[in-house]
Amino acid sequence: AQSVTQPDIHITVSEGASLELRCNYSYGATPYLFWYVQSPGQGLQLLLKYFSGDTLVQGIKGFEAEFKRSQSSFNLRKPSVHWSDAAEYFCAVGGELTGGGNKLTFGTGTQLKVEL
Amino acid sequence: KAGVTQTPRYLIKTRGQQVTLSCSPISGHRSVSWYQQTPGQGLQFLFEYFSETQRNKGNFPGRFSGRQFSNSRSEMNVSTLELGDSALYLCASSTDSQETQYFGPGTRLLVL
Repeated sequence: AQSVTQPDIHITVSEGASLELRCNYSYGATPYLFWYVQSPGQGLQLLLKYFSGDTLVQGIKGFEAEFKRSQSSFNLRKPSVHWSDAAEYFCAVGGELTGGGNKLTFGTGTQLKVEL
Repeated sequence: KAGVTQTPRYLIKTRGQQVTLSCSPISGHRSVSWYQQTPGQGLQFLFEYFSETQRNKGNFPGRFSGRQFSNSRSEMNVSTLELGDSALYLCASSTDSQETQYFGPGTRLLVL
């Protein structure tokens, strides 16, 4: 069964500092990996995704993530955090299902706080 | 294109009642998935519909059901509501399998 681990429940960074959010996954085949962000009371917004190809993927709002198969990781990074980045971040894994179809398995999320 | 829309945005029900939530996918998207988000259990997959057929189902009791119409709009129904059903219910749409899912704003259900 597929699973996702986000080891950091809360992270606090200063505005302008760099950010790395960790994500480890367990999946039997080549995974499809996603990072979503959720602001309070809102739905999930897609930041970036990895399906195949270049292991360093660029997303919106200056975020990037690197897929490392050997470490089963897909960490999210941003070189300089803005106060508006404060939100909850979710890593998710999807992939081929018997009979086709879509199902995402999410990590427990990392709550990002930005200090001014 | 308009995004995924969900109605209603907020709902208050009492135990034992039933509720129906609606989701309109992005135009052209044929797959609709539903997720439940709670503080204790996080984001959990409920089910997915594609071309009016349930294609996948998560580990939820039979009180949770859904359907999809020919225009790809989807509804989910929860019967005999329990306090533990209080959650944010998120709908996501995609063009097909293994494609990116785009989420709606969610319906927040409170069961009293």
